[in-house]
Amino acid sequence: AQSVTQLDSHVSVSEGTPVLLRCNYSSSYSPSLFWYVQHPNKGLQLLLKYTSAATLVKGINGFEAEFKKSETSFHLTKPSAHMSDAAEYFCVVSDMVAQKLVFGQGTRLTINP
Amino acid sequence: GAGVSQSPSNKVTEKGKDVELRCDPISGHTALYWYRQSLGQGLEFLIYFQGNSAPDKSGLPSDRFSAERTGGSVSTLTIQRTQQEDSAVYLCASSLVGGTVADTQYFGPGTRLTVL
Repeated sequence: AQSVTQLDSHVSVSEGTPVLLRCNYSSSYSPSLFWYVQHPNKGLQLLLKYTSAATLVKGINGFEAEFKKSETSFHLTKPSAHMSDAAEYFCVVSDMVAQKLVFGQGTRLTINP
Repeated sequence: GAGVSQSPSNKVTEKGKDVELRCDPISGHTALYWYRQSLGQGLEFLIYFQGNSAPDKSGLPSDRFSAERTGGSVSTLTIQRTQQEDSAVYLCASSLVGGTVADTQYFGPGTRLTVL
């Protein structure tokens, strides 16, 4: 079965500094991986996805993630945080057998002025 | 274009009552999914519809939960004899094709269910 582990439940950074949200995955085959963001009282929005093409994936709002098979990681980064980035971020793997998304526990990102 | 819509946005009910939650997927999307987001369990898969195929009900937590999808479009999630542990945000998602790991799922805003 596929699974993801988000290594930090809460990350706090200052505005203008880099963001790193860590995710490790477990999969018995080549996975599809996603990052979704959820702003307070809003729905889940897709940030980016990896589907076995380029290992460095660029998403919306300046976010990107790098697929590293050797480390089974799919960390999310952004060079410079903005106040509007404050939200909950979910690392997600697609389960091919069960046709469902498997979510990590989420990382709450706080941006300090 | 219009995204996934869900109704109601909030539902408060008494323990033991039945509730129905509605999802309108993006037009033309053949796959539809229900998930539940709760404090203790995070985001969990409930059920998956793909075209006219039999749904994958493997995530439904009990036989009090059921879902149907009429005409390959609108879906209704029904919870019978609600319990307090059913309190959660119920999320619906749709995707264009389904059946592939790369297919992107688009989520609705959710229905927040509170069981008193």
